[in-house]
Amino acid sequence: KAGVTQTPRYLIKTRGQQVTLSCSPISGHRSVSWYQQTPGQGLQFLFEYFSETQRNKGNFPGRFSGRQFSNSRSEMNVSTLELGDSALYLCASSLGATGAGNEKLFFGSGTQLSVL
Amino acid sequence: GESVGLHLPTLSVQEGDNSIINCAYSNSASDYFIWYKQESGKGPQFIIDIRSNMDKRQGQRVTVLLNKTVKHLSLQIAATQPGDSAVYFCADIGGGADGLTFGKGTHLIIQP
Repeated sequence: KAGVTQTPRYLIKTRGQQVTLSCSPISGHRSVSWYQQTPGQGLQFLFEYFSETQRNKGNFPGRFSGRQFSNSRSEMNVSTLELGDSALYLCASSLGATGAGNEKLFFGSGTQLSVL
Repeated sequence: GESVGLHLPTLSVQEGDNSIINCAYSNSASDYFIWYKQESGKGPQFIIDIRSNMDKRQGQRVTVLLNKTVKHLSLQIAATQPGDSAVYFCADIGGGADGLTFGKGTHLIIQP
């Protein structure tokens, strides 16, 4: 069974631009979560989607958004990029939504975003 | 909100020795705990998990211990190998929390 796939692997953008990252979960997994990882802040929860609905959202500004499609694939978008948005963005999938006894997340390798 | 933290940012052990990585949590509502291993350039990889109704769980060469009285979690790795070199994260969820809360991570270094 293929793992979680994230594209692109690396991305370079400039301040003010917007970016869209893509995630394909493990086949059969219906929940997709996004995390931001930086050396200073570590892994921080962005949001979780289950059955095309956002279930939870972390403490990030509205510039960060996401969506999930009927095939469980997910995208996240960051608008008006800032230098501080440079990070590794990780997508994780699980069978069910968190809190339902299916919290075991399987992570992709991430998208390394650099904002210049 | 409350967070999960690790005691040491770096832990150096001799190859073949046992490693113990510690984690303290503060959310008394946490009911699920999980350990991840992250190698350079890769995403976190699941190691082992434990629910709050258990105090010990064993996997292949790994054991997780949970002490709810003092809100402490540990990961024990037996006979540490060079391939165990990575950053280890503990994470928790519970009480309707918004996603997993990760600790800062402990970098395990294996000395030959």
